[in-house]
Amino acid sequence: SAVISQKPSRDICQRGTSLTIQCQVDSQVTMMFWYRQQPGQSLTLIATANQGSEATYESGFVIDKFPISRPNLTFSTLTVSNMSPEDSSIYLCSAGLAENTGELFFGEGSRLTVL
Amino acid sequence: AQSVSQHNHHVILSEAASLELGCNYSYGGTVNLFWYVQYPGQHLQLLLKYFSGDPLVKGIKGFEAEFIKSKFSFNLRKPSVQWSDTAEYFCAVKNYGQNFVFGPGTRLSVLP
Repeated sequence: SAVISQKPSRDICQRGTSLTIQCQVDSQVTMMFWYRQQPGQSLTLIATANQGSEATYESGFVIDKFPISRPNLTFSTLTVSNMSPEDSSIYLCSAGLAENTGELFFGEGSRLTVL
Repeated sequence: AQSVSQHNHHVILSEAASLELGCNYSYGGTVNLFWYVQYPGQHLQLLLKYFSGDPLVKGIKGFEAEFIKSKFSFNLRKPSVQWSDTAEYFCAVKNYGQNFVFGPGTRLSVLP
C-alpha cells in the first residue's frame, strides 16, 4: 500500500494568484496522478505526473495552467496558475504501485477556494 | 472511450436496510473493476476490486460486489447498512495501459 500526504489541505486564494500543492508518498511508486473533484461531481484526471519528464495532460488541461513536477518516485507538485473562481475545487494526488496491480491510492485532497 | 455510469445520485436508507448500488461500464474487453468509498472529510479508499476469477468479490466492512460480464455491470451490495456507511461511493474501471475512469458517484445517507 501507499500513504499519500498532501499540503495544503485547504486554502483560500485571491483571483489571479497561483498556488502549489505538494504530494508526498511514503513509498516509491510507479505512477502518480493529479485529479480534480468539483463539488458534487466525480473525479476528473488532470494529468499523469512522469518522473523526470513533462507530465501527460488530459484533454482540457494544459501545462501553462497546471504545471506539474515530479523530481523523484515519491514526490510531485501541482500548481494552479492564475486562479479564477472556476478553479475552486478539491485537488487530489493519487499513486499506483504498478500498472498491473491496478489499485490507486489517494491523498486527502487539497480544497481550494478562489475568491 | 470508456465510460462508467452509476444508477443513483443519492440513496437514502434506514439502518439495517439492504443496499445495492448499480454500476455499468461501456468497454467490452478485459477490465479491472473497483469500488471506492469517500467518508465525509476523508480520503478515497478502496472498498473492493475485481481482476479475475470468482465474479463475486468481498471487500471491507461487509461489502461485496458482483461482476456480470454479460451486463457490463459491477453492482455493490451490503445486506444491512449502518449509519457509519454514510458516504460517497464511486465505481471505477481500468483497462490495462489506460487510465482509470470513475463513475459520477452515489451519495448514500443512512438514517439512524
